[in-house]
Amino acid sequence: AQKVTQAQTEISVVEKEDVTLDCVYETRDTTYYLFWYKQPPSGELVFLIRRNSFDEQNEISGRYSWNFQKSTSSFNFTITASQVVDSAVYFCALSERNSGYSTLTFGKGTMLLVSP
Amino acid sequence: DTGVSQDPRHKITKRGQNVTFRCDPISEHNRLYWYRQTLGQGPEFLTYFQNEAQLEKSRLLSDRFSAERPKGSFSTLEIQRTEQGDSAMYLCASSSPFPGEGQETQYFGPGTRLLVL
Repeated sequence: AQKVTQAQTEISVVEKEDVTLDCVYETRDTTYYLFWYKQPPSGELVFLIRRNSFDEQNEISGRYSWNFQKSTSSFNFTITASQVVDSAVYFCALSERNSGYSTLTFGKGTMLLVSP
Repeated sequence: DTGVSQDPRHKITKRGQNVTFRCDPISEHNRLYWYRQTLGQGPEFLTYFQNEAQLEKSRLLSDRFSAERPKGSFSTLEIQRTEQGDSAMYLCASSSPFPGEGQETQYFGPGTRLLVL
């Protein structure tokens, strides 16, 4: 069975600090996708990034960066110079293929609180 | 391009009543998913449609739950004889028909928050 672990339940930082959200996954698939979603207080899950299992290049998008390491089954997310608007729950997810379609297995999420 | 929409956004009902939620996916997305999210947890998969066909149902989907997608566009999720344990956020997502990464990326709606008293 697939599993996603986000060990950090809640993180509090002060604005402008850098913060890293950890994600560890388990899967027997050789082809899979990893995702990060953001869930602000309004409740909608906002897609942030997708990474397939064959692409271990790190990615940077503005203040966001992602570090994918297959050797440690980790897909960590770093926010540089955090802002109050970054406050949300962040979910890491793993796609599970089932005969031609995929469902997502989510971690329990990490609540990030950025204070001014 | 409009995103996934869900209606209603909030629903309060009494135990034993039936409720129905609606999801409108992104246009041209033929794949539609329902998830349930309880407090402090990540979303959990409930069911999946490809066009109008319901291809997968989770064990979480008890007999009191039924989902439809009659014309391959919008979908409804009905809960009969609601119980307090059904209180949760019900999320709908859709993904495109294009093979590869397009199919893999699910875009979520704002969810319907259900409270069963």
